[in-house]
Amino acid sequence: DAKTTQPNSMESNEEEPVHLPCNHSTISGTDYIHWYRQLPSQGPEYVIHGLTSNVNNRMASLAIAEDRKSSTLILHRATLRDAAVYYCILRDSSGAGSYQLTFGKGTKLSVIP
Amino acid sequence: DAGVTQSPTHLIKTRGQQVTLRCSPKSGHDTVSWYQQALGQGPQFIFQYYEEEERQRGNFPDRFSGHQFPNYSSELNVNALLLGDSALYLCASSTGLGSYNEQFFGPGTRLTVL
Repeated sequence: DAKTTQPNSMESNEEEPVHLPCNHSTISGTDYIHWYRQLPSQGPEYVIHGLTSNVNNRMASLAIAEDRKSSTLILHRATLRDAAVYYCILRDSSGAGSYQLTFGKGTKLSVIP
Repeated sequence: DAGVTQSPTHLIKTRGQQVTLRCSPKSGHDTVSWYQQALGQGPQFIFQYYEEEERQRGNFPDRFSGHQFPNYSSELNVNALLLGDSALYLCASSTGLGSYNEQFFGPGTRLTVL
C-alpha cells in the first residue's frame, strides 16, 4: 500500500472547525483514501472515504486535492468527543492489492474546552 | 445490533505460555481480521479470515495462528509468548473480501506478557 504522511499532533478549540492534513504523493489511480479514528481505550472506527471527489457524511467532510496527492479531513465543529488519533489510509481497489488496513502513527487531535 | 465483541478484555500471561483470544463479528459480517497494536503505535495487520480460511497474512511469525468457525467467529492463538507480544489485540469484521469495505473494530484484548 502507498505511504501517507500526517502531522504527529494537532490542537483545536472546542466548537471550531478542524482541518487534518494527509500527504500521499505516491497514490495510484485505484487507491481510495480512507480515514479512521481511534478514541482513547477503543478500537478504530471508520470516518469517511473517497476516491476523487469531495465527500461529506454525518461525521466529517473529506477534501481531496485535484492531483490526489493530498487530502484533508474536516471536522466542522470539534467537540471533546472528537479527541482521538486520526489515521489516513490508502486502500487499493483494483483487486490486486491487499485487504488489510495499513495504519501509520496518525495524528493525535486534542480538543481544548 | 451488537457490534464486534472480543474476549477477554484483559489477560496476563508469562513468557513461553500460550494464549487464545476470541472475536465475534458484527451481525451480517463474514470476514474477520486481526491486528496487533503496541503502545503508541498504529495497529499492525496480523491476518484475515474468510470462509474459514486464512486469506492474507501480515509480517508475523508462525507462532501467531488463527481459526474461523462456521458462525464466522474467530480465534487468535499465540504460542511461546514473548515479552514483545504485549499489546492490544484488535479484531475487525467486514463483509466479503473487498479492499474498500468498511471494517468495524472491537474494543480489543489487552495482553500483558510478564
